[in-house]
Amino acid sequence: DPKIIQKPKYLVAVTGSEKILICEQYLGHNAMYWYRQSAKKPLEFMFSYSYQKLMDNQTASSRFQPQSSKKNHLDLQITALKPDDSATYFCASSQDWGGSEQFFGPGTRLTVL
Amino acid sequence: AQSVTQPDARVTVSEGASLQLRCKYSYFGTPYLFWYVQYPRQGLQLLLKYYPGDPVVQGVNGFEAEFSKSNSSFHLRKASVHWSDWAVYFCAISGSFNKLTFGAGTRLAVCP
Repeated sequence: DPKIIQKPKYLVAVTGSEKILICEQYLGHNAMYWYRQSAKKPLEFMFSYSYQKLMDNQTASSRFQPQSSKKNHLDLQITALKPDDSATYFCASSQDWGGSEQFFGPGTRLTVL
Repeated sequence: AQSVTQPDARVTVSEGASLQLRCKYSYFGTPYLFWYVQYPRQGLQLLLKYYPGDPVVQGVNGFEAEFSKSNSSFHLRKASVHWSDWAVYFCAISGSFNKLTFGAGTRLAVCP
């Protein structure tokens, strides 16, 4: 059974619209993260959360907003979508924040037209 | 700032041959280092991790890596490559704030 679920697997959006990427982990971990992988850049860190609190934000744009309704959920809301936002977004989790290994979900592939 | 360089964008080896994928890091202090593998159209899977201690670490599927502080390196090795190892391999470093910084990845192709 998958331990980190990301929904949807594929997503197509039009420029200017808003989408929410879902992430749920069933590993009992206390920290969760978002990363992005695009054709132009290697895997890059976006956010980290620990016990539902934002710990680090490396995303320059406020159009990207993580949302944590439960300890094992970390969704990513993206507003005013642009074609440059096209990428695969990976959710990850670790037992604790600070040095422990991170496990990744299967990713959501977002295409913005 | 932390960074990782994987100097080889693509490596091709014959099945059964040995493999080394290179990784160089930059970090002030002793980092945590990881190798992840990404199979086609899948997410990332952890192969192995280095926490300060024994410089040679064993991972899954016969992979191992060796940490060298003097060379700032964390190269991945495998004694005998299998066709199923065809994938993209990422070296990553975790220093401050637990964020992972990844290298650009090395695409491994395995010839019969």
